[in-house]
Amino acid sequence: DSGVTQTPKHLITATGQRVTLRCSPRSGDLSVYWYQQSLDQGLQFLIQYYNGEERAKGNILERFSAQQFPDLHSELNLSSLELGDSALYFCASSVDYKTEQYFGPGTRLTVT
Amino acid sequence: AQTVTQSQPEMSVQEAETVTLSCTYDTSESDYYLFWYKQPPSRQMILVIRQEAYKQQNATENRFSVNFQKAAKSFSLKISDSQLGDAAMYFCAYRSVYSGSARQLTFGSGTQLTVLP
Repeated sequence: DSGVTQTPKHLITATGQRVTLRCSPRSGDLSVYWYQQSLDQGLQFLIQYYNGEERAKGNILERFSAQQFPDLHSELNLSSLELGDSALYFCASSVDYKTEQYFGPGTRLTVT
Repeated sequence: AQTVTQSQPEMSVQEAETVTLSCTYDTSESDYYLFWYKQPPSRQMILVIRQEAYKQQNATENRFSVNFQKAAKSFSLKISDSQLGDAAMYFCAYRSVYSGSARQLTFGSGTQLTVLP
């Protein structure tokens, strides 16, 4: 158990819908990262937050957005879902940029 | 931008034997971190080992060790005394250390390791 929690574990939804994935980092970790793992794209970085502020963006679609709240939990919002958005979404956290990132168990999103 | 390449999509090893997984990377930075992560069938990403580029000594964690060749930009993972529980997808990953650079992990495509009883 890494100490990072993600909810829900599984999510099945239809095209065009909007979903919210939630992540709680390890106690004391200020940095949260979101990654997408799909069969065709592999593991890709989406976005990073540090202590409530956005710090870096990767290959994140405009339909996707995220935020980190004062209690440091983070949410990833996916809207206008397409079949190709079906993937495993990971959240990872670290104390700061010098330390290891620890991954949550992931949320498996299936868009039908 | 940095890239990470794992040229072995699949490998197999006999239980109790030793196996080496390969990883190469491309970067113009002189300081960085390299990692190996393990992803078993449960899909959980588990950190196996970490190497800091400015350290000459190769990292070791129990049965796992790395061969870090900075000039060759090579970072291989050796698993000794392989166990059935080592069967998983293994990902090599790179992370920059410089402020202003993105600190996210850049992953290779993975190597699926099968351990044969």
